[in-house]
Amino acid sequence: KAGVTQTPRYLIKTRGQQVTLSCSPISGHRSVSWYQQTPGQGLQFLFEYFSETQRNKGNFPGRFSGRQFSNSRSEMNVSTLELGDSALYLCASGRAGGAQETQYFGPGTRLLVL
Amino acid sequence: AQSVTQLGSHVSVSEGALVLLRCNYSSSVPPYLFWYVQYPNQGLQLLLKYTTGATLVKGINGFEAEFKKSETSFHLTKPSAHMSDAAEYFCAVRSLGGGYNKLIFGAGTRLAVHP
Repeated sequence: KAGVTQTPRYLIKTRGQQVTLSCSPISGHRSVSWYQQTPGQGLQFLFEYFSETQRNKGNFPGRFSGRQFSNSRSEMNVSTLELGDSALYLCASGRAGGAQETQYFGPGTRLLVL
Repeated sequence: AQSVTQLGSHVSVSEGALVLLRCNYSSSVPPYLFWYVQYPNQGLQLLLKYTTGATLVKGINGFEAEFKKSETSFHLTKPSAHMSDAAEYFCAVRSLGGGYNKLIFGAGTRLAVHP
């Protein structure tokens, strides 16, 4: 069974640009969560989608948004990029999003903002 | 509010020695607890988790952790370290009151294993 895949793996953008990251969950998984990992702030929850609906959102500005498609694939978008958005963005999938459930993480997309 | 504290951002052990990575949590409701490992340039891999039942949980690669409610702890141990255990380890908590799939992570502990 294929794991969680994320594309692209690496990305370089300049301030003010926007970026879209993609995540394909494990087949049969309907929940997709996004996390930002930085050396200073660690791992922080961005949002979670289930059946094309955002079910939970972290404490990030509105420049961070996401969506989920009917095949459970998810995208996240960051508009008006800032230097501080440089991070590893991790996507995780789960079957139904239960609290006891294991979340399976992808390899991440490393974003560098210049 | 839920939180996780990992004591020691860096831990160094000799190959063959005991590995002990400390995790304390704060949660007003029964927690579900997880340990993840991250190797360089990779995502997170689940080592083990505690949900309900037996408080001593065994995971992959010889790791285990014990849930101690009275101490609000979930420390990760491995009897004998291997060079391949060098990585960063994250403790995380989630509960029904925490909002579905929202994992709260500790700051991480980087484990170094030397010969």
